[in-house]
Amino acid sequence: GENVEQHPSTLSVQEGDSAVIKCTYSDSASNYFPWYKQELGKRPQLIIDIRSNVGEKKDQRIAVTLNKTAKHFSLHITETQPEDSAVYFCAARRANDYKLSFGAGTTVTVRA
Amino acid sequence: SAVISQKPSRDICQRGTSLTIQCQVDSQVTMMFWYRQQPGQSLTLIATANQGSEATYESGFVIDKFPISRPNLTFSTLTVSNMSPEDSSIYLCSVDLRGRDGYTFGSGTRLTVV
Repeated sequence: GENVEQHPSTLSVQEGDSAVIKCTYSDSASNYFPWYKQELGKRPQLIIDIRSNVGEKKDQRIAVTLNKTAKHFSLHITETQPEDSAVYFCAARRANDYKLSFGAGTTVTVRA
Repeated sequence: SAVISQKPSRDICQRGTSLTIQCQVDSQVTMMFWYRQQPGQSLTLIATANQGSEATYESGFVIDKFPISRPNLTFSTLTVSNMSPEDSSIYLCSVDLRGRDGYTFGSGTRLTVV
C-alpha cells in the first residue's frame, strides 16, 4: 500500500514567519494529496488539496506544492498567526482507490 | 458541505463491554469510513462501509472486534466489542462527499476503557 512520511514532527515558528511541512509518498500511482488541520480536541478539517496534474495551489496564506518526480509535496503557511497552531496531516490517495493514507502529523506552534 | 453527526461524543466503559458508535450524515454518501486515532497519533483506517455489502477491514482489524452496520446511505454504526484499555482512543467516521475528493470527518467519539 501507499506509505506517506511527514517531516518535521514538531515545528515552532515566530508569529509572522513562514512554516513548511514536507511529505513524501511511495506509490507513483498516487494522484491526490490533501492536507488536514486538527486543532486540539477537534476533528481533522481539510484545508487544501492538490491533484497530480497541478504543481502548485494557493489559498490565501496557504499553498501546497507537488513534485511528482521526487514524489514529495509540501504545505506552506505564510504570515503565521496564533490560530495556525494545530496538528497538520498530509495524505495521499492512489488512482482508482478510495482510501487515504495519512502521514504521522506535524504539531505546529506559533509563538506570539 | 455535508453535516456529519457522531455520537456519543465521549464515553467511559468497563472492560469486557461493548460500545456502539453512530454516524449520521445529512446527505446520501456512497462510502463511509471508520478511523481510530490513538492519543497523539495519526489516523488509522479501521474499515470501509458501503451500503448493502459487508464492510472491508484493514489489516489488523477484524469484524468480530469491530462489527459495522451500514443500513442505508446516510447512516453507519461501529461497535467496539469486548473492550480492553488498549481500545481507549478517538474513533472517527468519515464520508466521501460526492463531487469532492476531500473526506469530511465526524466530530469523533472519545472512548476510555477502565
